[in-house]
Amino acid sequence: KNEVEQSPQNLTAQEGEFITINCSYSVGISALHWLQQHPGGGIVSLFMLSSGKKKHGRLIATINIQEKHSSLHITASHPRDSAVYICAGRGGGADGLTFGKGTHLIIQP
Amino acid sequence: KAGVTQTPRYLIKTRGQQVTLSCSPISGHRSVSWYQQTPGQGLQFLFEYFSETQRNKGNFPGRFSGRQFSNSRSEMNVSTLELGDSALYLCASTGGWGNTEAFFGQGTRLTVV
Repeated sequence: KNEVEQSPQNLTAQEGEFITINCSYSVGISALHWLQQHPGGGIVSLFMLSSGKKKHGRLIATINIQEKHSSLHITASHPRDSAVYICAGRGGGADGLTFGKGTHLIIQP
Repeated sequence: KAGVTQTPRYLIKTRGQQVTLSCSPISGHRSVSWYQQTPGQGLQFLFEYFSETQRNKGNFPGRFSGRQFSNSRSEMNVSTLELGDSALYLCASTGGWGNTEAFFGQGTRLTVV
């Protein structure tokens, strides 16, 4: 069974700081997703990656398959980045997504 | 392009009743997955449908069921509701089955009293 662990669970930072959220998984996955959830429940898919690194605006996601670890970075953080960030791994084709517990990020102005 | 639409957004039901939730995927998407989110358990996978066939199923009791129609719209049903079924139910659609980007709906918040 795939387990997905995220850290930290809660993170409060000042506007402009560089943010890193970590995700580790216990068994091999074929892809890892980073999701963002704002109050009210809506979820937005930020990245799906199976190797290397992806960048979108101020967001960067990396994955190390050998170490079973992924990180989400936010550069020049802004209060509008405040949300819950969730990583999720998908095993072989017959598996659904397994989710981490989420990181609750607050960026203070 | 319209996003994923879930109806209703909010629902209050009594223990023992049943409920049906609906999810309309992005036009052209053939795969729909359902998830339950609770404060205690976080997000958990319920099931996934592709071309009207259930492809994957999470670890939930048989009271939770679903189906997908030929137009890719999906419904999930929960029978004999329990207080613990109170949760946010999310669906996501993808263009194909397997590792493709998922687009989530706003969810249906179910409260069982």
